[in-house]
This record gives sequence, C-alpha cells and structure tokens, in this order.
Amino acid sequence: TQLLEQSPQFLSIQEGENLTVYCNSSSVFSSLQWYRQEPGEGPVLLVTVVTGGEVKKLKRLTFQFGDARKDSSLHITAAQPGDTGLYLCAGGNTGNQFYFGTGTSLTVIP
Amino acid sequence: GAGVSQSPSNKVTEKGKDVELRCDPISGHTALYWYRQSLGQGLEFLIYFQGNSAPDKSGLPSDRFSAERTGGSVSTLTIQRTQQEDSAVYLCASSKARTLNTGELFFGEGSRLTVL
Repeated sequence: TQLLEQSPQFLSIQEGENLTVYCNSSSVFSSLQWYRQEPGEGPVLLVTVVTGGEVKKLKRLTFQFGDARKDSSLHITAAQPGDTGLYLCAGGNTGNQFYFGTGTSLTVIP
Repeated sequence: GAGVSQSPSNKVTEKGKDVELRCDPISGHTALYWYRQSLGQGLEFLIYFQGNSAPDKSGLPSDRFSAERTGGSVSTLTIQRTQQEDSAVYLCASSKARTLNTGELFFGEGSRLTVL
C-alpha cells in the first residue's frame, strides 16, 4: 500500500482566511489528484497534476505537485463557507491505481 | 441514470451474516474501483477492475471479501461472515481511462454498512 498522509486532519477557519493543506508520501506518483467530498456524497474531482513542480489554479484554489512527485499542496485564498468539505488527495501509478490520502476536514465559519 | 449508482444506500446486518453491495457504473466506463471509507476518513482501496483484465485484488482486507464484475459492467462486492469492523461506507467509482492514470474517477454515493 502506498500511503499518503494529509495535514492537518481537521481545520476550522473564519470566512475570508487563507489556508494550505498538505499531502505527503514516501512514494513517487505519476499523477496526483485532489477531490472534495461533501457529507453523504462521493468525492468529486477538483484537479489532476502530472508534472513535477506543476502548479494549477482553479479560481481561489491553487494546487502544486512537488518536484519529486511525492507531495502536493492545496492552497485556498479567501475561504468561503461553500469550501467546507473533506479534501482528499489521490496518487496515481502506472497501473491505473489510485491511492487516497487520509483526508482533511475543512470547516469555514461564516 | 447518468452517474454511478450504488445499492443499497444503507444496510444494517447482524454479525456473521453475508452482505452483497451492488455498483452500476457509468455506461462505457471500463475501469471500476471499490473503496472503503470510515467516518470522515480517507478512502481505503479494495479492488480494481479494468476491462477484461484480471482484477487487482491487492486491497481486499481478508478472504471474507470478494468482488466480481459481470459483462464488464455491474459489479458486486460480497462480504461473508460480517464483523463489526466491516462497518463503513463502501464507495464505488468508475473511469473511462484505459491508459495513464490521469482519468477522473466518478463516484457513487456509497453504501453505508452497519454490522451490529
């Protein structure tokens, strides 16, 4: 099993604040995905990064894949209550396997 | 429907009973995954099907767990002699990606299993 550790596990912030979530592993992945999951639903894809050092922006969300392709970060600027949810990173390997991280539960307080 | 469909949405069973969970993937998706999720936690990989290839069963936690995929479409996850530690949400996902691991996984809403 290829483990991905996310930090922090829980995060509660005020609306308008910035935050960063980290996803770390000792394994190298050929791709890294971020998903968001809301209660009672399945995870929904936010972004896929495939190149070491790659940075992608999705409105107020910025995703980065580490140079060595072992880690990733998700930065949210000016968080909104609608950003509340469970954020999951997932590392992909050449066998089309996806290994999910331990999850970060984000609560944005209005 | 257009999305991944799972049934039942909720299942309560007694310890020692067998359960079957069903997943109907998006039409045309060749890849199908089963994951297990404990409350508010990450997803634990169970098994992966890709087309007609032999499934990757490396994530199944014990020989009480098995899964099949008939006709390259519907999949059934079977848990025999359920234990309390099997209680979790079982998520199914499908993907149309055939090669490279950049395909998007589309998830169902999950089947919540409670073993008393």
